Amino acid sequence: AQSVAQPEDQVNVAEGNPLTVKCTYSVSGNPYLFWYVQYPNRGLQFLLKYITGDNLVKGSYGFEAEFNKSQTSFHLKKPSALVSDSALYFCGSSASKIIFGSGTRLSIRP
Amino acid sequence: EAGVAQSPRYKIIEKRQSVAFWCNPISGHATLYWYQQILGQGPKLLIQFQNNGVVDDSQLPKDRFSAERLKGVDSTLKIQPAKLEDSAVYLCASSLSGGLVTDTQYFGPGTRLTVL
Repeated sequence: AQSVAQPEDQVNVAEGNPLTVKCTYSVSGNPYLFWYVQYPNRGLQFLLKYITGDNLVKGSYGFEAEFNKSQTSFHLKKPSALVSDSALYFCGSSASKIIFGSGTRLSIRP
Repeated sequence: EAGVAQSPRYKIIEKRQSVAFWCNPISGHATLYWYQQILGQGPKLLIQFQNNGVVDDSQLPKDRFSAERLKGVDSTLKIQPAKLEDSAVYLCASSLSGGLVTDTQYFGPGTRLTVL
């Protein structure tokens, strides 16, 4: 069965430090993975997606994600965190069905 | 470009009452999605339309939920009768093409439903 997991409910990072938000998947075939961000009282905003090709995907607001087939992971990364990056982040897959992970709350302290 | 519009933004009802949500997708977008997002969880797809046809409604509780997309543009989602566990944010999204798995979805701000 198709599934996506975000193992961390919360990630805390100091401003200026690199950040990683983890995502693992269980999908047969191409997983078609994506990341969205949600700010309070707002809908989800698209960050990036992996379809095929280069394993390093670059997205909006300086974010990138690395597709790792052997580890079935698609972690979201940013070299230098900003306080404004504080939000709720969702990983998902649109392979056979559209599913989202449970979300990771990212908190960047000044 | 105008985004996905949803109304109302907030709704409070008693259990067993009925409620309806409205969504207007981005102009020209063929595919429209309704999601339910319960507090502390990720969005769950309820129904996906391509133009005015249903692509996927496998997770829609059809005994109480209904949705329509007449004329292939805006859409309404109805709950009748509502239960306490229906308290959630209902998100509408749209995408340009005919429901390709690689399509990028654009989300509206959501409607927060509280059932008392």
